[in-house]
Amino acid sequence: DVKVTQSSRYLVKRTGEKVFLECVQDMDHENMFWYRQDPGLGLRLIYFSYDVKMKEKGDIPEGYSVSREKKERFSLILESASTNQTSMYLCASSLIRTGGNQPQHFGDGTRLSIL
Amino acid sequence: AQSVTQLGSHVSVSEGALVLLRCNYSSSVPPYLFWYVQYPNQGLQLLLKYTSAATLVKGINGFEAEFKKSETSFHLTKPSAHMSDAAEYFCAVSGETSYDKVIFGPGTSLSVIP
Repeated sequence: DVKVTQSSRYLVKRTGEKVFLECVQDMDHENMFWYRQDPGLGLRLIYFSYDVKMKEKGDIPEGYSVSREKKERFSLILESASTNQTSMYLCASSLIRTGGNQPQHFGDGTRLSIL
Repeated sequence: AQSVTQLGSHVSVSEGALVLLRCNYSSSVPPYLFWYVQYPNQGLQLLLKYTSAATLVKGINGFEAEFKKSETSFHLTKPSAHMSDAAEYFCAVSGETSYDKVIFGPGTSLSVIP
């Protein structure tokens, strides 16, 4: 079965720390995505990647960076964590195919608190 | 630009009653439309997807959605609500290629009253 695994379900960090969120998929998907989810705002795209070592900014990339050194792994980095980055972070992956956009497969999320 | 609106951030229904969750979209190209469900403390999972093959799309867990181009709508329905349907539901729209971004609506929280 399809599996997207996020390394932590809950994480507490301090303001100014560098924070790494890890995501691994076992489906050989080309696309990978990082979203943050906040009440009333739905999902907002932070960064995405179509291929290894490739990245594209989403709608809210400020304060974040990403790394994709291997096809199955996509890391989100908070360079200097701030309290307004307290949120639920969701990783997703999907195939690239002709004939239409493929559904995304999501991990269970990481609930990050910045104190 | 594409966008999605979901009317009603919270919907309550009685167990056994009809579920209707509303979704309207705007898109300058033929859209691909999705409904996802999120159970507490979990990620999103796909309920169903519209790809222009048929306007009425059947999904998992007894849900279905009808694409109405004239109304730019893709409402989600289920004839009889079950307690296990209580969750957050997200409508999403994208263009027709795998490189198009997916735009998610703000979500509708469904409560089922016994």
